Amino acid sequence: NAGVTQTPKFQVLKTGQSMTLQCAQDMNHNSMYWYRQDPGMGLRLIYYSASEGTTDKGEVPNGYNVSRLNKREFSLRLESAAPSQTSVYFCASLKSRRGGRETQYFGPGTRLLVL
Amino acid sequence: GNSVTQMEGPVTLSEEAFLTINCTYTATGYPSLFWYVQYPGEGLQLLLKATKADDKGSNKGFEATYRKETTSFHLEKGSVQVSDSAVYFCALGGEYGGSQGNLIFGKGTKLSVKP
Repeated sequence: NAGVTQTPKFQVLKTGQSMTLQCAQDMNHNSMYWYRQDPGMGLRLIYYSASEGTTDKGEVPNGYNVSRLNKREFSLRLESAAPSQTSVYFCASLKSRRGGRETQYFGPGTRLLVL
Repeated sequence: GNSVTQMEGPVTLSEEAFLTINCTYTATGYPSLFWYVQYPGEGLQLLLKATKADDKGSNKGFEATYRKETTSFHLEKGSVQVSDSAVYFCALGGEYGGSQGNLIFGKGTKLSVKP
């Protein structure tokens, strides 16, 4: 099992460019998440998908869109990148949401720099 | 709203010293509590968790006890090693009146252990 994989590992964009961050999990998990990590801020939830076909906003959704392509894949899109979106992005997955008792599994992260 | 507060870092210790990283939370209901660890250049991985009051989570010599009366989940280790150098995140999950399965993270505490 590869667990949660993310591509690319590192990306540099110019302001206004668009890009899609890819995430896939091979653990047959139902729920998937996108977080951003900024210095001194911990991790903040951007969007999540409780199950295939559903997506919901998290704490900081502005400037992002997501697609739950199938059960395995959950992508994050920046339509018009801004320097404020410079961050490290983590994807995570969870088997089910039974009262939140279960563990989220994280990918290795995508480091994004917007100039 | 629901939140997690961790002691600010960075924390620098000598090898074999005792470690405590404080974590307190604010939440309604009966949340689950987690400690995640992030080694340099990697994603987050679960260190330990506790799902109900008075539960003790433990792993790799680390321990944390869910104290509902003080709303705390402090991380402790009796003798740290250089390999424990990482960033530690306390997280809140579960039934807190919002989205089950989602996590709220503290800002992280960076630990450096010197030989």
